[in-house]
Amino acid sequence: GAGVSQTPSNKVTEKGKYVELRCDPISGHTALYWYRQSLGQGPEFLIYFQGTGAADDSGLPNDRFFAVRPEGSVSTLKIQRTERGDSAVYLCASSLSKSAEAFFGQGTRLTVV
Amino acid sequence: DQQVKQNSPSLSVQEGRISILNCDYTNSMFDYFLWYKKYPAEGPTFLISISSIKDKNEDGRFTVFLNKSAKHLSLHIVPSQPGDSAVYFCAASGSGAGSYQLTFGKGTKLSVIP
Repeated sequence: GAGVSQTPSNKVTEKGKYVELRCDPISGHTALYWYRQSLGQGPEFLIYFQGTGAADDSGLPNDRFFAVRPEGSVSTLKIQRTERGDSAVYLCASSLSKSAEAFFGQGTRLTVV
Repeated sequence: DQQVKQNSPSLSVQEGRISILNCDYTNSMFDYFLWYKKYPAEGPTFLISISSIKDKNEDGRFTVFLNKSAKHLSLHIVPSQPGDSAVYFCAASGSGAGSYQLTFGKGTKLSVIP
C-alpha cells in the first residue's frame, strides 16, 4: 500500500487478556517505530526497529509489552495481561532511514474494559 | 516532566487571518524540530521542520520560527483556511544516537472559523 497500515483500527479487550496490534510499513522503509498516545497527550515513543532488530526499546513501559519485526517489514506489538491504563491509541510509523521523515499510520485505538 | 510543551490546548482563528501556534522545550540537546498536523481518526502528518542551525523555515502558507536562546518555536499559518482545522503537534529530536526518537508536545487544537 501507499502508506503505513495498522490493523485493527479499533480493539476492545477485557482486562487481563492478550492483544496483538499489527503494523504494515511503507515498502522499502527499514526503520519502524511504535508510539502510544494516551488521551490528552502527545504520542510517546515506545520502540524503534532498524530492519529486524529492536534497536531501542527504552520506551516500552514494562515487560508486558513486546514487539517483533521478524522479516524486517511487518511489525506486531504484543501486550500481555492488559490493564485499563493500557487504553490508548497505538501509532506506528516508518521511514527510509532513522534520520529521514517518519510517516505515521492511522493508529489502533485500544480500549481495555 | 514534559520536555516539549504546548501551553495552549486550543486556538480559534477567523478564516484569512494568521494562526500562531507556540511551543517551548526544555532539553538543550534537541536540535531538530517538527510540526505535525492530525485530523481525527488519522495519524499525524508531517507539516514542516527546522534545524537548530536556522531560525526560520518557510513552506507556502506555513512558516516555523525558532528562538534557541528562549527555547521557543512557533508555527505561523497565513492565511488560515478552514481545512487547517486540526490538532497540531510540536515535536523535537536530538542529534547522535537518539536522533530518531521524537518527543511530542500535547498538541494544540486549531479551529479556523469560516
